[in-house]
Amino acid sequence: AQSVTQLGSHVSVSEGALVLLRCNYSSSVPPYLFWYVQYPNQGLQLLLKYTSAATLVKGINGFEAEFKKSETSFHLTKPSAHMSDAAEYFCAVNLRGRYGGATNKLIFGTGTLLAVQP
Amino acid sequence: SQTIHQWPATLVQPVGSPLSLECTVEGTSNPNLYWYRQAAGRGLQLLFYSVGIGQISSEVPQNLSASRPQDRQFILSSKKLLLSDSGFYLCAWSVRLAGQFFGPGTRLTVL
Repeated sequence: AQSVTQLGSHVSVSEGALVLLRCNYSSSVPPYLFWYVQYPNQGLQLLLKYTSAATLVKGINGFEAEFKKSETSFHLTKPSAHMSDAAEYFCAVNLRGRYGGATNKLIFGTGTLLAVQP
Repeated sequence: SQTIHQWPATLVQPVGSPLSLECTVEGTSNPNLYWYRQAAGRGLQLLFYSVGIGQISSEVPQNLSASRPQDRQFILSSKKLLLSDSGFYLCAWSVRLAGQFFGPGTRLTVL
């Protein structure tokens, strides 16, 4: 069965510092992976997605993530944090169907709350 | 472009009262539709999903129900609300394998 684990429910960085949010997945078949961001009292916004093309995926707002099969990881990074990056971030993996086909259902991690200090 | 609407944005209801939350999608056809609940300090819980009109799958047994009377309309309902139904309700849509796209959410408080 597929699952994702987000290490660190709270991460705090200084403005201008590197942002690294960790996500490890478990999947017996090649996964489709996603990162979402949620600002307070808003819906989730898709940041980026990996669908088995390039392993380094660039998203919106300067974020990127690298798919590493050997480490079963899909960590989210941004070289320089901005105050507006403070939000909750969710990693997700596509649920595979009974015979391994991809479905549109997603399994979400428990989220990482990113705080950015001035 | 596609847009997704949810209303109301906020709702305060007494225990035992009925509930109806509505979600509509524009700019796409035959989407998969989803209802999630996000309780305070917790992740997303998938409540229902639908692959077509009248086709509803329930993920967890609960006090809620869902309906899809039209292709791009998804309704979440309850006959009698419980305190535990409080939370942030999110509707989402997807087509193919491009990921899910979320609405702005409804904050429900049951008193």
